[in-house]
Amino acid sequence: QLQLQESGPGLVKPSETLSLTCAVSGGSIMTSSIYYWGWIRQPPGKGLEWIGSIHHSGITSYNPSLQSRVTIAVDTSNNQFSLRMTSVTAADTAVYYCARMITPSIYKDYFDYWGQGTLVTVSS
Amino acid sequence: QSVLTQPPSVSAAPGQTVTISCSGGSSNIGNSDVSWYQQLPQTAPKLLIYDNNKRPSGIPDRFSGSKSGTSATLGITGLQTGDEADFYCGTWDSSLSAYVFGTGTKVTVL
Repeated sequence: QLQLQESGPGLVKPSETLSLTCAVSGGSIMTSSIYYWGWIRQPPGKGLEWIGSIHHSGITSYNPSLQSRVTIAVDTSNNQFSLRMTSVTAADTAVYYCARMITPSIYKDYFDYWGQGTLVTVSS
Repeated sequence: QSVLTQPPSVSAAPGQTVTISCSGGSSNIGNSDVSWYQQLPQTAPKLLIYDNNKRPSGIPDRFSGSKSGTSATLGITGLQTGDEADFYCGTWDSSLSAYVFGTGTKVTVL
């Protein structure tokens, strides 16, 4: 059974950089060409927002609204991927989830496995 | 502000049926497959429906999905207290070049 686990600081100061890692177990991050690995966030009491996704080859796709501040990287040797978000503000306070994105063909994407999520608070 | 609109809440008694709508446009639901996610309180979302109407292994057939034009619908029959959750639709938006989620619907079992 595939498992994803987020890790990283739970508190980040305004204007600093948020860094999270998602460890994948129970399967290789390189298993299939149709798998992307993504980040989704959810502010307290609000809905879901896709941040971006990465393929094991390094191909990335970002939400245009966040693209200028976000970098997603993959570490195939350690079977994990990461999120880096710069210049954070209180509006970036949210539960951050990592998830596997299935992309069998164009416009058929969905997320089938999710991590439990980690709360990141932006505050001084 | 999401491009996919859902009703904020729906409710029904145990055993009854509820439907949740997800309204979008030609750049998202109109040309992409829709998935649905269930988020139980204080837990991560779980995939409920993909490719508009397919259920992953382990999802009971009480849950069903459909799509017509630029709208999609999730149906839940035989409502149970354990179904109380937030439900989100999701799909790719070709104009935004982004995966988008619906505004979310809270299901309450009366």
